[in-house]
Amino acid sequence: GQQLNQSPQSMFIQEGEDVSMNCTSSSIFNTWLWYKQDPGEGPVLLIALYKAGELTSNGRLTAQFGITRKDSFLNISASIPSDVGIYFCAGRPPSDFNYQLIWGAGTKLIIKP
Amino acid sequence: DSGVTQTPKHLITATGQRVTLRCSPRSGDLSVYWYQQSLDQGLQFLIQYYNGEERAKGNILERFSAQQFPDLHSELNLSSLELGDSALYFCASSAGLAGVGITGELFFGEGSRLTVL
Repeated sequence: GQQLNQSPQSMFIQEGEDVSMNCTSSSIFNTWLWYKQDPGEGPVLLIALYKAGELTSNGRLTAQFGITRKDSFLNISASIPSDVGIYFCAGRPPSDFNYQLIWGAGTKLIIKP
Repeated sequence: DSGVTQTPKHLITATGQRVTLRCSPRSGDLSVYWYQQSLDQGLQFLIQYYNGEERAKGNILERFSAQQFPDLHSELNLSSLELGDSALYFCASSAGLAGVGITGELFFGEGSRLTVL
C-alpha cells in the first residue's frame, strides 16, 4: 500500500530556531494535512493543503503542497517551548472517496533547555 | 476543542476483559474513524463508519468491533483484552465522503487511554 516517509524522526532544537520537516511519497496525493499532537492529547489540525504548489501559513507555521503532488513540507519559524510535540503529515490519495488518510510516522520536536 | 467527544478518558482493566469506548462526532459530521496509538507509535487506522454503515477497515483485530448508531455516535468494543492492547484509542470525524465542498479534514477527540494489566 501507499506509504509516507516523514523526516526527520526527531529534532532537538534551541528555542528561537527555525524548524523544517517534510513528507514524501512515491504516489500523488490530492490533499496534504499537517497535525500536531501534544503528549496524551489528540492530534490537532494545523494546516490543510489542497492544490499543488499551494503555500499556506498559520502564524509561525508555513506548509507547502509540492508541485509534483508527492511531497509536502512544514516550517516553523522562531520556535518556542509550546511547539514541543509530535507533528504528523497525512495525505489523501486521489482514488479514495472515504477520506482514508495515509499517515506519516511523525516528527518529534524537542527543545533543548 | 475539536468538537469530538470521547469517553472514558482513562480506563484500566484486566486481561481477558471487554471494554467499550464511546465517541460523539462533531455536530453534522457523518463519518467516524477509530485509530489506535501505542506508546511512542504512529496512528494506526482501525475502522471507519459513514452514516451508520461500515466504509473501510484497517488493521483491526477480530477481537475488536465497532458500530455507528442512528444518532451518529460510535462505539468501539474491545474484547478478550491482552496486554498489547494497552494504547490510546482516538476517534475522529469528518463531514462525509468525497464531493464538492467536502474537504476531508479529520478532527480528533482527546482519546481514551486503555491500560490492560
